Amino acid sequence: DAGVIQSPRHEVTEMGQEVTLRCKPISGHDYLFWYRQTMMRGLELLIYFNNNVPIDDSGMPEDRFSAKMPNASFSTLKIQPSEPRDSAVYFCASSLSSYEQYFGPGTRLTVT
Amino acid sequence: QQPVQSPQAVILREGEDAVINCSSSKALYSVHWYRQKHGEAPVFLMILLKGGEQKGHEKISASFNEKKQQSSLYLTASQLSYSGTYFCGTRNLNKFYFGSGTKLNVKP
Repeated sequence: DAGVIQSPRHEVTEMGQEVTLRCKPISGHDYLFWYRQTMMRGLELLIYFNNNVPIDDSGMPEDRFSAKMPNASFSTLKIQPSEPRDSAVYFCASSLSSYEQYFGPGTRLTVT
Repeated sequence: QQPVQSPQAVILREGEDAVINCSSSKALYSVHWYRQKHGEAPVFLMILLKGGEQKGHEKISASFNEKKQQSSLYLTASQLSYSGTYFCGTRNLNKFYFGSGTKLNVKP
């Protein structure tokens, strides 16, 4: 299997622009997680899905952030409008039955 | 609640052992351990389930004390490749949390 695929790997955008991060989980996995990692705050869980249904979105910072999982093989994390404090590495991870999580390579987002 | 890891950082010589601790204020269903190297994604090492089942890595072991809501990761005969930041992840009902990490530096 190719593992968890994320795109883009790097994104540089200006404040106020919309940003969309994409994730393709490992085939057959039923859980999908979105994380944000910064030096200051460490690794934070933003939201996770089970069988395409959002289960816990309490980590989503504010209404500017939204996530969807329209099918078992694709998820998006959208930030609109983006702000400089959103700069971070965003990881997507998937797992089978919430056991070990397999992380994608991450998207490094820079908002100027 | 975010689990608390200790120590925050460890420096070892090759061949030495290390223990990393993870404790939670909430009852735990499972504890996961991950290692992250600089500039890379976290990689799964070990999972410990309530009831004692354990799945993981051949040279790294871990314990899970359900009553104390604590887990410890044991790195024996450390190798240079063990360097990185170790995170524990915990699950309580439908909530997942990660600790703040322990930086391990193994020197020749």
